[in-house]
This record gives sequence, structure tokens and C-alpha cells, in this order.
Amino acid sequence: NAGVTQTPKFQVLKTGQSMTLQCAQDMNHNSMYWYRQDPGMGLRLIYYSASEGTTDKGEVPNGYNVSRLNKREFSLRLESAAPSQTSVYFCASKGLAVVTDTQYFGPGTRLTVL
Amino acid sequence: AQSVTQLGSHVSVSEGALVLLRCNYSSSVPPYLFWYVQYPNQGLQLLLKYTSAATLVKGINGFEAEFKKSETSFHLTKPSAHMSDAAEYFCAVSLSGGYNKLIFGAGTRLAVHP
Repeated sequence: NAGVTQTPKFQVLKTGQSMTLQCAQDMNHNSMYWYRQDPGMGLRLIYYSASEGTTDKGEVPNGYNVSRLNKREFSLRLESAAPSQTSVYFCASKGLAVVTDTQYFGPGTRLTVL
Repeated sequence: AQSVTQLGSHVSVSEGALVLLRCNYSSSVPPYLFWYVQYPNQGLQLLLKYTSAATLVKGINGFEAEFKKSETSFHLTKPSAHMSDAAEYFCAVSLSGGYNKLIFGAGTRLAVHP
């Protein structure tokens, strides 16, 4: 099993450009998450999908959209990138609905917006 | 609202010395608590988690943490540091209920020197 995979690994955008970050998991998990990691701030939840067909906002959703394409895939879209969106983005997934279940993280996408 | 405070953004220890990484949480309901580790340029990996069973939780790589309700703490310890322990460590709290939306602390970077 590959676990949680993310593409691309690195990306540089100009202000105003759009892009989609891809995430896929092969663990048959129900829930998927997108976080951003900034220095000194830990990880902050952008959006999550509790199950296929549902998505909800997290702590910092402004400037982002998501799509739960199917059970395996959860994409994050930046419609008009801004320098404040320079960050490392992590996707995670979790199998069970219980809160004690573990989230598994992908390797991250390092995004720079100029 | 739930929150997590990690005291010390950087901790430096000698190889073989005790590792102590501090985490205090704020929660109005019984919390579930997690420690994750992030090695350079990688995603997060679960070290251990507290799920209201035993208050002393043992994790991978010789780490353990003790849940102390009276002190609202969940400090991470390891008796003897190894060079391979150098990484960033994140404490996180999850609500009891909901879809395991994790609230992360800002992280503590552990350096281990010979």
C-alpha cells in the first residue's frame, strides 16, 4: 500500500494563478482532510470530508475549494493564488468515524506563491 | 474552544539524555490527545495517543506520555535520546465526538547533539 499520496511535491505559482493539489489514499478510508503548515503555527485544518460526497470547512477555508471526487481522492483548489497561501499542504485520511482513530498523513506539497 | 500549547519551540539535548517535550491542552470536554512526529521533508507520523484508557501511554521508538487531568498536560518523554530522534514534534487534541478534527500545537523542534 502506498498510503496517502500527494501531487505535486513542489509548486511555484505567480499571484493570481490557479492550481489543484491532488491527494489519494488506498486504505479505503472514509474521512479525508487538508491542512496547511506554517512556521510557528503547527497545522491548521482547511477543509475536511467526513465521507464520500460530503465536505466541510475547517479553521482556515478562505481562498480554497475542495472536491471529494470519490472515496479515494480529495483535491484542494486555489482559484486565485495569493502570497499568503505560501505554505506546506498536507493531506490526511482516517478510516473510522470514531475520534480515537488515527489520521495518516501524506508527504506534503510545498507551495510558493510569488 | 479546544487549544494546545507546546512550551518551547526548540529543545536541545545531548545524546543519551532525557527528552521532555511539554504539551498543555484546554478542553471543556474529555479530550483525546495525540503526539505526532515529523522528520525533515516528510509528513506526520503518529507516535502515540491517549484515548481515556491508561493515563500512561507508550508509543513507538521508546516514547511515552502521561495524561494528567489536574494539570491539563500530556508531556512526551523518552529516557535516552538518540540522534535519530531529531525531528519536529506536534501535540494535538481532538474533540470527543465529531469527525476527529485535530487541533495542533505549534510544534517543538528537537535537536540531539553528540
